[in-house]
Amino acid sequence: DIQMTQSPSSLSASVGDRVTITCRASQGISDYLAWYQQKPGQVPKLLIYAASTLQSGVPTRFSGSGSGTDFTLTISSLQPEDVATYYCQKYDSAPDTFGPGTTVDIK
Amino acid sequence: QLLLQESGPGLAKPSETLSLTCAVSGASISSSTYYWGWIRQPPGKGLEWIGTVYYSGSTSYNPSLKSRVTISLDTSKNQFSLRLRSVTAADTAVYYCARRAQVMGIRLPFDYWGQGTLVTVSS
Repeated sequence: DIQMTQSPSSLSASVGDRVTITCRASQGISDYLAWYQQKPGQVPKLLIYAASTLQSGVPTRFSGSGSGTDFTLTISSLQPEDVATYYCQKYDSAPDTFGPGTTVDIK
Repeated sequence: QLLLQESGPGLAKPSETLSLTCAVSGASISSSTYYWGWIRQPPGKGLEWIGTVYYSGSTSYNPSLKSRVTISLDTSKNQFSLRLRSVTAADTAVYYCARRAQVMGIRLPFDYWGQGTLVTVSS
């Protein structure tokens, strides 16, 4: 089965900073990669699918890129409401494995 | 507006079977467009995909749980269910139900999630 890794596992940044999270698949998954945001105590929310397509209603400061095995999620200007754990997920074929998550907080 | 609502006992005893139901409103689980799935999250930990069921009844399961899991549809009630056998404390988690679509052969990820239900495995 394909394994998903994320780096870093956590980060702390200032409001307005550009933040980048990396997700890597152990084998190629084309662009079948999603990013979810889970705020403390809340349900995961789909941010990006097909590696770079923004889900409706998601702020444009979020963007995604990559294909094959290496993907990134970028927050162009970190806001206080972006404090959350971010998960990537492959969905090219079962099992639809999640990455271990990256926790983002404000410095 | 699509809504998914998990229900079931919040406590299960070790070695017994955990059973949860997800009631769907705002969409038909009999639609060929959608897959219906379960994801869980142990307290303080990450997300784990459990499996999905298609309108036809075909299923896909996490290999690590496959021997213990059954996901099934109840089209008469527009709901789907999860059964996890022989549970241990390691199965304590918030269990989410969710929907994903497949459009023109293109798979999409989970876009609608239920609120989640905590199941604790303890004697």
